[in-house]
Amino acid sequence: DVVMTQSPLSLPVTLGQPASISCRSSQSLVHSNGNTFLHWFQQRPGQSPRRLIYRVSNRDSGVPDRFSGSGSGTDFTLKISRVEAEDVGVYYCMQGTHWTPGFTFGQGTKLEIK
Amino acid sequence: EAQLVESGGGLVKPGGSLTLSCAASGFAFSSYDMSWFRQAPGKGLEWVSTIPPSSSHMSYADSVKGRFTISRDNAKSSLYLQMSSLRVEDTAVYYCATDPNWDDSWGQGTLVTVSS
Repeated sequence: DVVMTQSPLSLPVTLGQPASISCRSSQSLVHSNGNTFLHWFQQRPGQSPRRLIYRVSNRDSGVPDRFSGSGSGTDFTLKISRVEAEDVGVYYCMQGTHWTPGFTFGQGTKLEIK
Repeated sequence: EAQLVESGGGLVKPGGSLTLSCAASGFAFSSYDMSWFRQAPGKGLEWVSTIPPSSSHMSYADSVKGRFTISRDNAKSSLYLQMSSLRVEDTAVYYCATDPNWDDSWGQGTLVTVSS
């Protein structure tokens, strides 16, 4: 089974400062079709999850350009260039490459304002 | 704009059954893989089940296999999750969603509480 490991699990950040979240998978996430199905989700308090970044580095529609994703193989990173108050919430990486046992998420990283 | 609206959650006793529904609109429902995810109180996200457009094969998390059944009605643009032999650990908000590999639409979630 693919295990997704995020760090840190708690991320206090000062407004306007950058933030970075790491996600590592126990197996390469490169699919046989050449795609890497590693995505990042944001879940604000009391809200449904929302995908921010799909297939490693593509921003979803409406996502501010202060969010960026990078990485390859088994190591991936979500970066926020300047944290704003609306960024408070929990961030999850998720893999969709390996279908046993289906989509798997990291533990989540809770971002809060210092 | 795509919209997904779940319903059917509630309080049920251990061993009981419940069926969740998800009404889709604003996109070509019959062309999309659809999934259920869940989130236990204060916990992270967990994938539950996925069904392709043709309903040809369904996938389930080991934690629900043999107890939950996913289905869909493309004519009604609706997704369902039949849950039986419910356990306390099935308590969670259940979300329906389009295939996260290719799209990003989630419902608002419906709370299922399993308690005696």
